[in-house]
Amino acid sequence: EAEVAQSPRYKITEKSQAVAFWCDPISGHATLYWYRQILGQGPELLVQFQDESVVDDSQLPKDRFSAERLKGVDSTLKIQPAELGDSAMYLCASSLEPLHEQYFGPGTRLTVT
Amino acid sequence: AQKVTQAQTEISVVEKEDVTLDCVYETRDTTYYLFWYKQPPSGELVFLIRRNSFDEQNEISGRYSWNFQKSTSSFNFTITASQVVDSAVYFCALSPDYKLSFGAGTTVTVRA
Repeated sequence: EAEVAQSPRYKITEKSQAVAFWCDPISGHATLYWYRQILGQGPELLVQFQDESVVDDSQLPKDRFSAERLKGVDSTLKIQPAELGDSAMYLCASSLEPLHEQYFGPGTRLTVT
Repeated sequence: AQKVTQAQTEISVVEKEDVTLDCVYETRDTTYYLFWYKQPPSGELVFLIRRNSFDEQNEISGRYSWNFQKSTSSFNFTITASQVVDSAVYFCALSPDYKLSFGAGTTVTVRA
């Protein structure tokens, strides 16, 4: 069964350092999402791609976060510099099209010390 | 603005009991989708069901069933004869467009 792949699964970094997460969506899924999930809360959308284009990045803290999906397949989310408040689970999801069910990867649990 | 409320923070049951998870939503859109996801301790969100706003038929899938009532803006989820493997956090979500708005989740613990 096709799955969304993410790496790393866990990341510990010191504040002010740079950190990057990678996501490979299910083959053929044109829509890719990055979510942040703080412990005890539901996921919140950070950015959505349709193919290689950003559809929505209104909740992405653009002073320190960036995301790209250069060839419309895999994607990278970067934080520079990391802050203590960035500690969270970062989830990647993909869907065939917007409004279709989204399939999530295992997530990257980030701890900033 | 969209809002999803899952009033139950935690539910604890003994195996084989039924458990119902409440979900109430708010939206001004007439067309929207509702979802339920399961997040086991491993952390991965697992898709359970998608329902569009024009389809109020209840649905049953094995031990899972969903009750959608547009009149009360509710989309409740019942697990029949719960099992230990059902222990997880369950999220209800709403999407009038492409963006999913999640509730805060309900933690279900099924004790043997």
